Amino acid sequence: DIVMTQSPLSLPVTPGEPASISCRSSQSLYSKGNNYLDWYLQKPGQSPQLLIYLGSTRASGVPDRFSGSGSGTDFTLKISRVEAEDVGVYYCMQPLQTPLTFGGGTKVEIK
Amino acid sequence: EVQLLESGGELVQPGGSLRLSCAVSGFSISSYTMSWVRQAPGKGLEWVSGIYGGSGRTFYADSVKGRFTISKDTSKNTVFLQMNSLRAEDTAVYYCAKDQVPDGIWTFDYWGQGTLVTVSS
Repeated sequence: DIVMTQSPLSLPVTPGEPASISCRSSQSLYSKGNNYLDWYLQKPGQSPQLLIYLGSTRASGVPDRFSGSGSGTDFTLKISRVEAEDVGVYYCMQPLQTPLTFGGGTKVEIK
Repeated sequence: EVQLLESGGELVQPGGSLRLSCAVSGFSISSYTMSWVRQAPGKGLEWVSGIYGGSGRTFYADSVKGRFTISKDTSKNTVFLQMNSLRAEDTAVYYCAKDQVPDGIWTFDYWGQGTLVTVSS
């Protein structure tokens, strides 16, 4: 199974400031020209929602302050200017092979 | 409008069985891979099982293999998760999730609201 490791576990942020979350996989997620890495956000009391897929493509309706980058085994989610509505737990997930596996999550909260 | 509505979660004793349902609207499960993802209380997300829309091929996490069975009824546009030999560690909110593209890349663009399964005596 592919192990996904996120850091940090918790990320206190100031509104208007940037934020960055790291995700590493135990094996390369690059295949057939794509990096198979997704990012999801679970806001408090809600179901998860898709933010980024194939490493860097924003899902429909996702603000452009969110961006994904990386390749192979190292990936990053960046929020250019954090807003209050961005609080929640962020998860990376590899959809390359079953069993699909998630990172442990990064809790983003406002300072 | 795409909607996924889970049901069937409840309190069950260890060793018992339960069947979860995910009724969908706005698309056909004959075309899209569907998955179940669970979240234990205060914990992260864990993919449980998936089923291809076209072929119906099924996939399972090792933690549930041999105990859980995913299936679907295309006439009712509903996906099921039959859970047998339930254990305390199966206690979780179970989400149904839809793949983004037809029989695609296991990326979930729609999720249900979840149904709570509690395994306890």
